[in-house]
Amino acid sequence: AQTVTQSQPEMSVQEAETVTLSCTYDTSESDYYLFWYKQPPSRQMILVIRQEAYKQQNATENRFSVNFQKAAKSFSLKISDSQLGDAAMYFCAYRNNFGNEKLTFGTGTRLTIIP
Amino acid sequence: DVKVTQSSRYLVKRTGEKVFLECVQDMDHENMFWYRQDPGLGLRLIYFSYDVKMKEKGDIPEGYSVSREKKERFSLILESASTNQTSMYLCASSPRLAGPYNEQFFGPGTRLTVL
Repeated sequence: AQTVTQSQPEMSVQEAETVTLSCTYDTSESDYYLFWYKQPPSRQMILVIRQEAYKQQNATENRFSVNFQKAAKSFSLKISDSQLGDAAMYFCAYRNNFGNEKLTFGTGTRLTIIP
Repeated sequence: DVKVTQSSRYLVKRTGEKVFLECVQDMDHENMFWYRQDPGLGLRLIYFSYDVKMKEKGDIPEGYSVSREKKERFSLILESASTNQTSMYLCASSPRLAGPYNEQFFGPGTRLTVL
């Protein structure tokens, strides 16, 4: 079974600075997808960014980018120019690619933005 | 915009009560999911459904059942609520697409307290 590990329960960053959230996963598959979801306080969870395992290029969405290291099974999220609205729980998630559409989530990292 | 709604934001029930949590999505998605979110444990999949009247157990189905009589509605049932089922319950839906783009869309969650 696949597992996803987020070793940082809490992180904080000064507004306008850069922060990196860590995620590692364990799988025997070669083709899969990885995701970062954001859950703001008392608001719905939304997708931040996604990565296809067969693509070497790291995904980028505006201020959000990933560092995908397939051999190391690492998938970190970098948030540049942190804003107050980035404060949230961030979840890393894994999905395989053989018809099973279930996500396996990590335990989450609570990100605090310091004004 | 995809909308996933859940019947209650907060719910308080007594031990032994039968509890129904309702989830409705308006985007004609084939897949629907029920998760439980607990601090330090992340999101854990209880059940999911990939079609009307179809269901599959997730990682923690014990003590729960589900019903999907219509495509847009997915119900989670606690047959006899217990205090260890006090938690946040999240519903999600996704289209049945291959690849990384069958993003899961989440509802706002129901915080259930069992006394």
